[in-house]
Amino acid sequence: DVKVTQSSRYLVKRTGEKVFLECVQDMDHENMFWYRQDPGLGLRLIYFSYDVKMKEKGDIPEGYSVSREKKERFSLILESASTNQTSMYLCAIRADTEAFFGQGTRLTVV
Amino acid sequence: DAKTTQPNSMESNEEEPVHLPCNHSTISGTDYIHWYRQLPSQGPEYVIHGLTSNVNNRMASLAIAEDRKSSTLILHRATLRDAAVYYCIRPARGLNYGGSQGNLIFGKGTKLSVKP
Repeated sequence: DVKVTQSSRYLVKRTGEKVFLECVQDMDHENMFWYRQDPGLGLRLIYFSYDVKMKEKGDIPEGYSVSREKKERFSLILESASTNQTSMYLCAIRADTEAFFGQGTRLTVV
Repeated sequence: DAKTTQPNSMESNEEEPVHLPCNHSTISGTDYIHWYRQLPSQGPEYVIHGLTSNVNNRMASLAIAEDRKSSTLILHRATLRDAAVYYCIRPARGLNYGGSQGNLIFGKGTKLSVKP
């Protein structure tokens, strides 16, 4: 079974804090993605990476950055968290014909 | 870009078939059509995908129109556990899903309710 693990299920952070969301996969796949999910807006792509140290912007990259130092780990970084970044964050990998998602991290910025 | 159109919500009765429609009128000739679903409090999971001909697997069937501008996900006998949001998606930027840089763009999906 493919495993995509997100480091936290729930997080509460203060405005202005630097936040790291970690995603680890156990299948040695190149393509990894970060989405956020908000009511009424569906899933929106923030960033994706198709190799170590490679990254590409998705549809809503503003306010976020990413890091891919090792193939199995893809980190989403909020340099200075804001309340409008309160959301569900989902990490995914693409493996041949399927994508596999983590359980999600519900981030609340207060 | 990777636009698909689905109804916001649908209802079904348990044990009855469900047909979930999707329009993708701007799809290119090499784009696969993918369906995912998201159960409550979980990340999305793969359901099925296809290119031109109809496809079947243990979860569902996918019927693709001859002109490929629309498709229908068919759950043959809905159960309460099938209540979820169903997403019809295709790769962004005209990239084949099989390409090294293909990514998936999710819309709002169809929320399926199943009544006992």
